[in-house]
Amino acid sequence: EDQVTQSPEALRLQEGESSSLNCSYTVSGLRGLFWYRQDPGKGPEFLFTLYSAGEEKEKERLKATLTKKESFLHITAPKPEDSATYLCAAEGAQKLVFGQGTRLTINP
Amino acid sequence: GAGVSQSPSNKVTEKGKDVELRCDPISGHTALYWYRQSLGQGLEFLIYFQGNSAPDKSGLPSDRFSAERTGGSVSTLTIQRTQQEDSAVYLCASSQETQYFGPGTRLLVL
Repeated sequence: EDQVTQSPEALRLQEGESSSLNCSYTVSGLRGLFWYRQDPGKGPEFLFTLYSAGEEKEKERLKATLTKKESFLHITAPKPEDSATYLCAAEGAQKLVFGQGTRLTINP
Repeated sequence: GAGVSQSPSNKVTEKGKDVELRCDPISGHTALYWYRQSLGQGLEFLIYFQGNSAPDKSGLPSDRFSAERTGGSVSTLTIQRTQQEDSAVYLCASSQETQYFGPGTRLLVL
């Protein structure tokens, strides 16, 4: 059975303190690894898609990387507006499987 | 262009009543998905429509849940005889390759 596990469940950082969020996946025939951001009371907002191990994508202070077993979302010098829940999802032969998310809080 | 829209944004109903939730996908997207997100939980897949193919209903939690997609566009998720455990946010997404989500419908069953 396809599985996606995110860690940590919650992370508090000071503004400017860089860190990484982890997404471990077990998916048969990975077709894509997706990262979304979700703000309270809103639907998930698409950030990145990664297709193969070694691939990296960047957007502002975020960089997503992919290995054969994990994906990392690196956040560099975060700001309070980066506070949100970050969701990872893996697409195999069947439907997209989501992790439980990491709730990120950036304190000013 | 317009994104995925959902209505109503909030719905409060009494236990035992039926509810209908609507999703308007992004124009041209052939795939449409419904998910349920309970408080503090991840997204739970409910149902998937792709073009004119038979829908994948494997995630529907009971026969009280059903969904239709008319003309390959708008979709309606219907919950019959609602129960308190149906209270959640119901999210719709449409895609060509990447799933784009609507804002969700927050359902509260009293």
